[in-house]
Amino acid sequence: EIVLTQSPGTLSLSPGERATLSCRASQSVTSSYLAWYQQRPGQAPRLLVYGTSSRATGIPDRFSGSGSGTDFTLTISRLEPEDFAVYYCQQFDISPITFGGGTRVEIK
Amino acid sequence: EVQLLESGGGLVQPGGSLRLSCAASGFTFSGYAMSWVRQAPGRGLEWVSGISGSGSSTYYADSVKGRITISRDNSKNTLNLQMNSLRDEDMAIYYCARTLAGVISYFDYWGQGTLVAVSS
Repeated sequence: EIVLTQSPGTLSLSPGERATLSCRASQSVTSSYLAWYQQRPGQAPRLLVYGTSSRATGIPDRFSGSGSGTDFTLTISRLEPEDFAVYYCQQFDISPITFGGGTRVEIK
Repeated sequence: EVQLLESGGGLVQPGGSLRLSCAASGFTFSGYAMSWVRQAPGRGLEWVSGISGSGSSTYYADSVKGRITISRDNSKNTLNLQMNSLRDEDMAIYYCARTLAGVISYFDYWGQGTLVAVSS
């Protein structure tokens, strides 16, 4: 199976700052098959980005995804208070579907 | 509005069984594949199982294969997960999720989850 490693484990930033989250795959992932989710405390995950760089419905444009091959990035251009949460990448290029271990974005 | 509402979670002893359900509304249920994704306490997300819109194709994670059966009733807009021979490591919040572009895909809507606790 494809192992996704997310880094850093925790990102401590202030509102208004830029967040850069990394997702590295153990083997190449087709760009169309890489997604990102946000999970706020006590809530279900929410789809942010699919196909590496396409924002899901209703997702603000401060969220952007990029990457290819084994290295993918989620960038939040300016952190809003509601963006402090855990973020997961997911691949579905090769079954089984796998998720990264998550990056927690916390308030500094 | 798409809504997914899970039910059926609870406390069960190791080796026991439990049946989870997910009631779907706000979309044409039979037109979408559906999945179960779980999250152990304080841990990350783990895909468990998926089923095609017609119910003819099913997929399972190796960790649950042979112990868990996914099914759906399109006449009742309901997704089910029959869980047998439960183990400590099955304890988690179980989310049902609508799956786009095939069974093995990403998830655009999630329910709020139902908690399965395994303990003697």
